Amino acid sequence: GQQLNQSPQSMFIQEGEDVSMNCTSSSIFNTWLWYKQDPGEGPVLLIALYKAGELTSNGRLTAQFGITRKDSFLNISASIPSDVGIYFCAGSKKGAQKLVFGQGTRLTINP
Amino acid sequence: AAGVIQSPRHLIKEKRETATLKCYPIPRHDTVYWYQQGPGQDPQFLISFYEKMQSDKGSIPDRFSAQQFSDYHSELNMSSLELGDSALYFCASSLGWARGTDTQYFGPGTRLTVL
Repeated sequence: GQQLNQSPQSMFIQEGEDVSMNCTSSSIFNTWLWYKQDPGEGPVLLIALYKAGELTSNGRLTAQFGITRKDSFLNISASIPSDVGIYFCAGSKKGAQKLVFGQGTRLTINP
Repeated sequence: AAGVIQSPRHLIKEKRETATLKCYPIPRHDTVYWYQQGPGQDPQFLISFYEKMQSDKGSIPDRFSAQQFSDYHSELNMSSLELGDSALYFCASSLGWARGTDTQYFGPGTRLTVL
């Protein structure tokens, strides 16, 4: 089925470092969303992107909707311990309701 | 702000039993989605409802059914449970799918364990 390729799968960083992760697809998506999930909890929305080329920030988080509509990235600046978790990208296509998720990026921070 | 409510949070069932999961969307949201997440996996879309009508369908087993009621809450009914049905089940809701701004907000999930 359709799949979003998310990378990296895991990251081990020092507190205070910047983080970058991305998602790519072979097909076009109309909406890109980034979520953070803690173990056993529901995904929490971080940033929503609706227009190609759109660059949106939410505090230390910045995400962009790729101009080709086939990719998106998420940056986290000056990481802190509470940033630990799994980050998922998700996309939806025009006229479709379902979200397709990437495989997730597991972020671990060494204090 | 009010969030999506799911109940129960945890459910343990035996094989071949039935289970009913409930979802209460964010007030005024018109679309409800159900997802299944296996251990170490990403969420997989099952089914969605817009204004109480089924609007999209994913890889939902025939043993599962769902509906959205007049108060917009939704229930996922699962029959003849199998060990492989053990997973986290999430409900999400959104407002504005018809307008193309369907940001989905997820509930805390129901952890189903089938023994």
